Amino acid sequence: DAGVTQSPTHLIKTRGQQVTLRCSPKSGHDTVSWYQQALGQGPQFIFQYYEEEERQRGNFPDRFSGHQFPNYSSELNVNALLLGDSALYLCASSLRQGAYNSPLHFGNGTRLTVT
Amino acid sequence: EDQVTQSPEALRLQEGESSSLNCSYTVSGLRGLFWYRQDPGKGPEFLFTLYSAGEEKEKERLKATLTKKESFLHITAPKPEDSATYLCAVQAGGSQGNLIFGKGTKLSVKP
Repeated sequence: DAGVTQSPTHLIKTRGQQVTLRCSPKSGHDTVSWYQQALGQGPQFIFQYYEEEERQRGNFPDRFSGHQFPNYSSELNVNALLLGDSALYLCASSLRQGAYNSPLHFGNGTRLTVT
Repeated sequence: EDQVTQSPEALRLQEGESSSLNCSYTVSGLRGLFWYRQDPGKGPEFLFTLYSAGEEKEKERLKATLTKKESFLHITAPKPEDSATYLCAVQAGGSQGNLIFGKGTKLSVKP
């Protein structure tokens, strides 16, 4: 049973550039959430997608956008990269939005470095 | 404001030395409290969900408990392979599933 897969595993970008990160959810899951984890910190919620729509958003600027495809996979896009965007970006999937007994299952993340 | 505070930030134990990690939370209507384990360079791995005060869950050497204000993760006779960062997270009643995480406790178990 394939878990959550993310690509690429590592990425180095320059300030001002744009980046796209990809995620395939765990088999059977239909909801995808994205989190940002800075070094030494806990993950911070960016947004959540269900039925191809953004359902909830954390305190992140509009430079962060996303998409969910009909096969439930998802992309995270970040425009106009800043040095402070350097972090581990985690994708998590679950079964049905806000389901009572469906914990989040995380991928191993994409390590983004902005220089 | 919903928030989660974990203590201590770091904990060093000898193999076999039992201890507890603390997670204090403030949330408007707790929908669930979650414990995750995170190894370096990896994503968080789900351990437990607790829903109401008084609830307990166990898995091998780990036992999680929940009160109205905090949760404890008890580690009994730890082994070096238990070394990791343990993350606590809460889901608020008004949320659609997003979790609010603490900063974690980094546990090191020496043989």
